Amino acid sequence: ETGVTQSPTHLIKTRGQQVTLRCSSQSGHNTVSWYQQALGQGPQFIFQYYREEENGRGNFPPRFSGLQFPNYSSELNVNALELDDSALYLCASSFGRTAEQFFGPGTRLTVL
Amino acid sequence: GESVGLHLPTLSVQEGDNSIINCAYSNSASDYFIWYKQESGKGPQFIIDIRSNMDKRQGQRVTVLLNKTVKHLSLQIAATQPGDSAVYFCAENPPYNTDKLIFGTGTRLQVFP
Repeated sequence: ETGVTQSPTHLIKTRGQQVTLRCSSQSGHNTVSWYQQALGQGPQFIFQYYREEENGRGNFPPRFSGLQFPNYSSELNVNALELDDSALYLCASSFGRTAEQFFGPGTRLTVL
Repeated sequence: GESVGLHLPTLSVQEGDNSIINCAYSNSASDYFIWYKQESGKGPQFIIDIRSNMDKRQGQRVTVLLNKTVKHLSLQIAATQPGDSAVYFCAENPPYNTDKLIFGTGTRLQVFP
């Protein structure tokens, strides 16, 4: 059984740029959730994708968007990057719309 | 607003002792809670969960206690080992959104010999 994987591991961008982060869900899982974790804080829910559709969204602006593909992998896109977007971005997968979510290692995004 | 808080930001224990990590949650209607362990450079790792119809649940060396009266959750780790050193988060599943987890800021557990 393959766990949740994310790419890239680290990323450095400058203000105003756009970024795409990728996530492959655990085998057998059809739901992907994205979280932002600022340094020293707990993860904050961004949104969730279930069967290729957004299924719930946290308090994040529209410049945070996502996709889920037929193989249940997912992308997180962030436009017009701001310094405060610097964080660890975590992807979690689950089977169905349950709360038992399994996390990937995260992508560390630094915005300069 | 929504919040899941933790009483202690850092907990230091001696190897072999028992550890207790506490958490307060704000939504009395929440019906599902999870404890996660996060080691440096890694994503959160599921430890144990509990539903609101239970007061206690035991796993391997870990026990979660839920006190709905005071909206309090605790994680007990028996015979703490150096490998238990990490940041521990409790997460709450609000009833109006079954798929969203609300995390607290975390407690860092330090185990010393």
